[in-house]
Amino acid sequence: GAVVSQHPSWVICKSGTSVKIECRSLDFQATTMFWYRQFPKQSLMLMATSNEGSKATYEQGVEKDKFLINHASLTLSTLTVTSAHPEDSSFYICSVGGSSYEQYFGPGTRLTVT
Amino acid sequence: AQSVTQLDSHVSVSEGTPVLLRCNYSSSYSPSLFWYVQHPNKGLQLLLKYTSAATLVKGINGFEAEFKKSETSFHLTKPSAHMSDAAEYFCVVSGRGTQGGKLIFGQGTELSVKP
Repeated sequence: GAVVSQHPSWVICKSGTSVKIECRSLDFQATTMFWYRQFPKQSLMLMATSNEGSKATYEQGVEKDKFLINHASLTLSTLTVTSAHPEDSSFYICSVGGSSYEQYFGPGTRLTVT
Repeated sequence: AQSVTQLDSHVSVSEGTPVLLRCNYSSSYSPSLFWYVQHPNKGLQLLLKYTSAATLVKGINGFEAEFKKSETSFHLTKPSAHMSDAAEYFCVVSGRGTQGGKLIFGQGTELSVKP
């Protein structure tokens, strides 16, 4: 399967600042990437589908102006959390779509907003 | 719409004993089903997948799952648990129709392995 990396693996930022998370597909050209959010002891919640060269498709209830997604190349998608607040603290995971509907996940980014 | 229900939020077994993690699915389409494992503060790793071929699917680390259409189940099993199997397990169905291209996750089952 595809190898997916995320950077940073964890980040602490102050309330009101913005933070960018990178998701890279290391060995697979990904036209579609996915961004998830996971709260402690909970399942993954899909935030948005990132399409290379076009606008992301956001799930209902996800603020697109707060969670900016850019998928400028076949190997890189970024998620920027703008004007972060403590309630944005979470584990953010990206994935790349495979050939048989499966997805390959990155290692995740732990965001803590103080 | 597609959905999955993991019947146990937590399962505890002793090392060396069998593991059974239960999953039921609902789908109006022929489903693709997956089991993923997540160790603490890590991403998800694909254990196995069913995509309408053999109903008994073998995965990594000795896990397997059987697709039973009549019971709408896709339970995950392993003959002998190892301490390293302690993790969170997610049963997942691929979306179709309006949910096409997406994965629909169960709520997860936390597996504990006692020495």
